[in-house]
Amino acid sequence: DGGITQSPKYLFRKEGQNVTLSCEQNLNHDAMYWYRQDPGQGLRLIYYSQIVNDFQKGDIAEGYSVSREKKESFPLTVTSAQKNPTAFYLCASADLAKNIQYFGAGTRLSVL
Amino acid sequence: AQSVSQHNHHVILSEAASLELGCNYSYGGTVNLFWYVQYPGQHLQLLLKYFSGDPLVKGIKGFEAEFIKSKFSFNLRKPSVQWSDTAEYFCAVKDNDMRFGAGTRLTVKP
Repeated sequence: DGGITQSPKYLFRKEGQNVTLSCEQNLNHDAMYWYRQDPGQGLRLIYYSQIVNDFQKGDIAEGYSVSREKKESFPLTVTSAQKNPTAFYLCASADLAKNIQYFGAGTRLSVL
Repeated sequence: AQSVSQHNHHVILSEAASLELGCNYSYGGTVNLFWYVQYPGQHLQLLLKYFSGDPLVKGIKGFEAEFIKSKFSFNLRKPSVQWSDTAEYFCAVKDNDMRFGAGTRLTVKP
């Protein structure tokens, strides 16, 4: 079954804790993206990667980190430096030639 | 950087009413335009897209959108909505980067 898998669906973070959100795709897409969705603000880009071992900051990268060691995987770490992490996080991937992004089901992160 | 504006935050319609959701963007160059839909509890999915050619594009589920270059607009339309169209709708514009609007929540009353 082709697509983008995000896990977990729900995640809780304690104060001072780093948490990692998983994103895996089997679409053979070169590009992958992380967005944060907050009510009334749409989707804001956190990080993106267009090739393995390379990634770029988006509009709101502070307090987040990523890695792209494999084409299929683009995990996002929400660090303790992110003071307002409660949000819905969406991962997407794209075939750069076709220029269309496909989205995962999302991870809802809350702070305990 | 470009911005994308969706003027309606929440739209409430009765079934069979006509729908038009506004989307305007700030960038004047060549752009690719998208409408995505997020049904309750589901993935964000592509509704339709415009890259070039006929400015009136048709998407899934009877939706269409018209690109009006002079107005920097890409409004989404549907002649007759159904209860199952209840969802959140996002306009997106891509030049070098993809930018999303804040979203419009559509509620269709049965």
